[in-house]
Amino acid sequence: AQSVTQLDSQVPVFEEAPVELRCNYSSSVSVYLFWYVQYPNQGLQLLLKYLSGSTLVKGINGFEAEFNKSQTSFHLRKPSVHISDTAEYFCAVSDNNAGNMLTFGGGTRLMVKP
Amino acid sequence: DGGITQSPKYLFRKEGQNVTLSCEQNLNHDAMYWYRQDPGQGLRLIYYSQIVNDFQKGDIAEGYSVSREKKESFPLTVTSAQKNPTAFYLCASSIYGKPGRVKAYEQYFGPGTRLTVT
Repeated sequence: AQSVTQLDSQVPVFEEAPVELRCNYSSSVSVYLFWYVQYPNQGLQLLLKYLSGSTLVKGINGFEAEFNKSQTSFHLRKPSVHISDTAEYFCAVSDNNAGNMLTFGGGTRLMVKP
Repeated sequence: DGGITQSPKYLFRKEGQNVTLSCEQNLNHDAMYWYRQDPGQGLRLIYYSQIVNDFQKGDIAEGYSVSREKKESFPLTVTSAQKNPTAFYLCASSIYGKPGRVKAYEQYFGPGTRLTVT
């Protein structure tokens, strides 16, 4: 069975500083990886995805993530955060054995301070 | 604009009452999903449906029921048997997951319904 671990439940950071949100997964087969963002009392919006090809994936709002198969990681990064990036971020994984099913991590709350 | 709508955004019920949450999509997606979100726990799958008139239990189906009579609609009923129903409920959809169809893994989410049972 697959699982996702988001190592940090909260990440405080100052505006314009860089940030990395960590995600590790476990799966025995080829994986598909996703990062979603959730603003307060809203649904989830897809930030970026890794399905195949280049391991460095760029998404919306200046975010990017790198798929590292040997370390089973898919960390999310942004070089300079804004106050508007304050939100909950979820990492999710699926694989060919899981059908369409996504397994989500517990989420990381990014808190950007002025 | 294509998307997923969930209504209502906030719902209040008394303990012991059944309540039905609405989910409608106009993305022409075959598959639809219901998730429950509790603080600090991520999303947990309640039920999913790959095609009309067919649905499967997810990880936490006890106390919930669904129907899929139309492609566009996937309502979720929270029954009185659900021991702790207060939560944020999210509906999602995707294209049908035929083998090799990697885009089927992309799920699109509605805005959610916050249910409070007292």
